[in-house]
Amino acid sequence: DSGVTQTPKHLITATGQRVTLRCSPRSGDLSVYWYQQSLDQGLQFLIHYYNGEERAKGNILERFSAQQFPDLHSELNLSSLELGDSALYFCASSVAKGTEAFFGQGTRLTVV
Amino acid sequence: AQSVTQPDIHITVSEGASLELRCNYSYGATPYLFWYVQSPGQGLQLLLKYFSGDTLVQGIKGFEAEFKRSQSSFNLRKPSVHWSDAAEYFCARNAGGTSYGKLTFGQGTILTVHP
Repeated sequence: DSGVTQTPKHLITATGQRVTLRCSPRSGDLSVYWYQQSLDQGLQFLIHYYNGEERAKGNILERFSAQQFPDLHSELNLSSLELGDSALYFCASSVAKGTEAFFGQGTRLTVV
Repeated sequence: AQSVTQPDIHITVSEGASLELRCNYSYGATPYLFWYVQSPGQGLQLLLKYFSGDTLVQGIKGFEAEFKRSQSSFNLRKPSVHWSDAAEYFCARNAGGTSYGKLTFGQGTILTVHP
């Protein structure tokens, strides 16, 4: 158990809908990272938040957004969902100036 | 752009045999390098990491990796594979700076272990 909690574990939704994925980092970790894992793209970095502020962006679509709250949990919002958004979404956390990230179990999103 | 290449998509070994999974990274300042393992339906678990110093690093579950700057490689090894090692293995490097967890991953290598 990495200490990073993601909910829900599975999510099935229809095209055009909006979903929210939630991540609770390890106790004391200020950084939260979101990744997408799909068969065609592999593991791709989406976005990094540190103590509530956006720090880095990767290949994140405009339809996707994230935020980190004062209690340090983070949410990834996916809107206007398309079939191609079906993937495993991971959250990871690290200490403020840590050198490794710890991953949650992921949320498997299926868009039908 | 920084990249990580895992040349082998799928490797099959017999239980008890030795294992080496290959990883090459693109040229750049000394990277921070990692190996993660993902079992079916599971998240990514960190096996080991290299930042600096001794180029042979030890990890969990009996794995080790060697950083070779001249070959831009960071290969993962295990002397004797167990059936429970069957999983997908990912090599990764980070971007440094303040985004330590911003990782670039290789495509992954699926390991099958035969009894």
